[in-house]
Amino acid sequence: AQSVTQLDSQVPVFEEAPVELRCNYSSSVSVYLFWYVQYPNQGLQLLLKYLSGSTLVESINGFEAEFNKSQTSFHLRKPSVHISDTAEYFCAVIPLTGGGNKLTFGTGTQLKVEL
Amino acid sequence: ETGVTQTPRHLVMGMTNKKSLKCEQHLGHNAMYWYKQSAKKPLELMFVYNFKEQTENNSVPSRFSPECPNSSHLFLHLHTLQPEDSALYLCASSISGGGPDTQYFGPGTRLTVL
Repeated sequence: AQSVTQLDSQVPVFEEAPVELRCNYSSSVSVYLFWYVQYPNQGLQLLLKYLSGSTLVESINGFEAEFNKSQTSFHLRKPSVHISDTAEYFCAVIPLTGGGNKLTFGTGTQLKVEL
Repeated sequence: ETGVTQTPRHLVMGMTNKKSLKCEQHLGHNAMYWYKQSAKKPLELMFVYNFKEQTENNSVPSRFSPECPNSSHLFLHLHTLQPEDSALYLCASSISGGGPDTQYFGPGTRLTVL
């Protein structure tokens, strides 16, 4: 079984400041990792994912996440946030084998960008 | 319409009512999912359908009854619900090919059980 921990339920940050949203996972097998974002009154949208290869993955809107196998982490970062980044961010995993298409999610982190 | 759509967006029902949630995907996917999103809890996978066949029932109470008539449509029939069933119900779809499928989510139905 897998579990995902997002330690911060809320992260307030000023516009143009950097931000890091933390994600740690637990699994007895290797996993694929995902970050989803949920804007107010909308469903979840895929932000980025790590499947294989370079451990640093980037999204089209400036977010990046680095897979650290030894620390079982997949933290999400952005060097300069914008007010439009205000949303809830979910980390999720799927096991490489035997997991089918079952995502295991964390509890989410609410990012609030202030002027 | 594109993507994944869900109707209604909001639903208020009494414990004795019967209602249905509808999900439709326009992405050509063959796997569909129901999730429950409650405040301060991780998203809970409820049901998975692959090629119209139910492949996962995550110990969901029988007062929730899914139906998948074809690969594009998914329903969740509700009856005799409890107040603790109030939540955001999200539908998702993906291509089921044995790999790490990216799931595409609908906007959800906000359900309130009185």
